[in-house]
Amino acid sequence: GAGVSQTPSNKVTEKGKYVELRCDPISGHTALYWYRQSLGQGPEFLIYFQGTGAADDSGLPNDRFFAVRPEGSVSTLKIQRTERGDSAVYLCASSGRGGPWSDTQYFGPGTRLTVL
Amino acid sequence: KNQVEQSPQSLIILEGKNCTLQCNYTVSPFSNLRWYKQDTGRGPVSLTIMTFSENTKSNGRYTATLDADTKQSSLHITASQLSDSASYICVVSVKNNAGNMLTFGGGTRLMVKP
Repeated sequence: GAGVSQTPSNKVTEKGKYVELRCDPISGHTALYWYRQSLGQGPEFLIYFQGTGAADDSGLPNDRFFAVRPEGSVSTLKIQRTERGDSAVYLCASSGRGGPWSDTQYFGPGTRLTVL
Repeated sequence: KNQVEQSPQSLIILEGKNCTLQCNYTVSPFSNLRWYKQDTGRGPVSLTIMTFSENTKSNGRYTATLDADTKQSSLHITASQLSDSASYICVVSVKNNAGNMLTFGGGTRLMVKP
């Protein structure tokens, strides 16, 4: 089947606006992860879902960031009152059994967010 | 200070040559270590995964080594090809209260020239 997909591939927004980034994991994968990657850096963990619940959201930088996964498959990362510092590539990954150590994570192509 | 340090930050080699990328980590307790390849504009793709009891693992022309005592890993690429041009990211898995956590290095950007 298809791999992890993310939409949109690119998003340009103005400072202060609200954005939603979508992730479609590999079918059947119970674990879903969001990362943020700045230019020239490795990915930075944001949040991890096991099923519908956020098992670990310790990486979310502040309360402007929020993510949901209401039916245990598709997830949406929501950013309120965007700031220029939010500009980055937002990566989504999924894995089979859950637990960041137990399974290989399969990454999507990312959404490049640019805040003007 | 980043808990997973990679060197060099960037590397240029000629097609057909070998190269070795380094990863030093300080995170603990260690669960496993992975190497990912990330092509420009793409998400990372797993190359190898090693637990603390494994010293070496190969995947085609890629060979990863791990010394859990010195907390060092290397990724050796043999007979490089133009398609090897990418960022290579070292990822260490650490146990925490939530279960486990991945800590990513900053990556080594490899360019293979003809």
